Amino acid sequence: EAGVAQSPRYKIIEKRQSVAFWCNPISGHATLYWYQQILGQGPKLLIQFQNNGVVDDSQLPKDRFSAERLKGVDSTLKIQPAKLEDSAVYLCASSSTRTLYEQYFGPGTRLTVT
Amino acid sequence: SQKIEQNSEALNIQEGKTATLTCNYTNYSPAYLQWYRQDPGRGPVFLLLIRENEKEKRKERLKVTFDTTLKQSLFHITASQPADSATYLCAPNTGGFKTIFGAGTRLFVKA
Repeated sequence: EAGVAQSPRYKIIEKRQSVAFWCNPISGHATLYWYQQILGQGPKLLIQFQNNGVVDDSQLPKDRFSAERLKGVDSTLKIQPAKLEDSAVYLCASSSTRTLYEQYFGPGTRLTVT
Repeated sequence: SQKIEQNSEALNIQEGKTATLTCNYTNYSPAYLQWYRQDPGRGPVFLLLIRENEKEKRKERLKVTFDTTLKQSLFHITASQPADSATYLCAPNTGGFKTIFGAGTRLFVKA
C-alpha cells in the first residue's frame, strides 16, 4: 500500500509570510495527525482528526495555525503569519481504526523561516 | 505535567553487542507504550507496542520491557548492526487519543 504523502518536502519563507502543507494519508485510515518536530526534540501533536472532525487541537497555536480535513481524506495545515520559531519539520501521520495506536508517518516538510 | 525522559546523549556500541535504551516517564500512568525508529530526514516508523499488563514483548532482535512500578521502559536491540543506527523514540500513551513522544536517543552502531 502507498504510504503517507506530504508536500512540499522543503519550504523557505520569510517571517510574517504564510505557508501551507498538504498531506494525503494511507487509504482507508480514518485518523490523521499533524505533528511539529523541532530539531533535537520528539514530535509534538498539533492536531488530530477522526474522519473530518477534530479530536484534539489543544496544542495548536490557533492565532496563526489552522488545519482542515475536507471529506475526511487529505488535509492541509496552514501557518499565517509565520514566526522564526515555527522553523521545524511538520509531520503528518495516519492510523486505522483497527490499529489506532500504530501511526504511519509521512516524510515531513522541513520549514525554514528567515 | 507529564514528562518523558530518554538518554539525551548518543549511545555508541560495537556491532554484535546489545543496545539498551531507556525511557522514563513521570506524572502519568500510560496504558501502553510505543517505540518508534526515526532516520535522518524521515518520519518515525512504528516498531513495537507494549501494554501495561505485559512485562516484556519481543519482535525479531528487538525486546521491550515495561515496568509500571519504576515508570520505565527498556528497549533492547540484540546482535546490533550498523543498519540499526538511528534515533529511537518512546511514546507512552494513557489510552486516550494523544500520543506524547520523548526526545529520542541517538544510537550509533560501529562496524
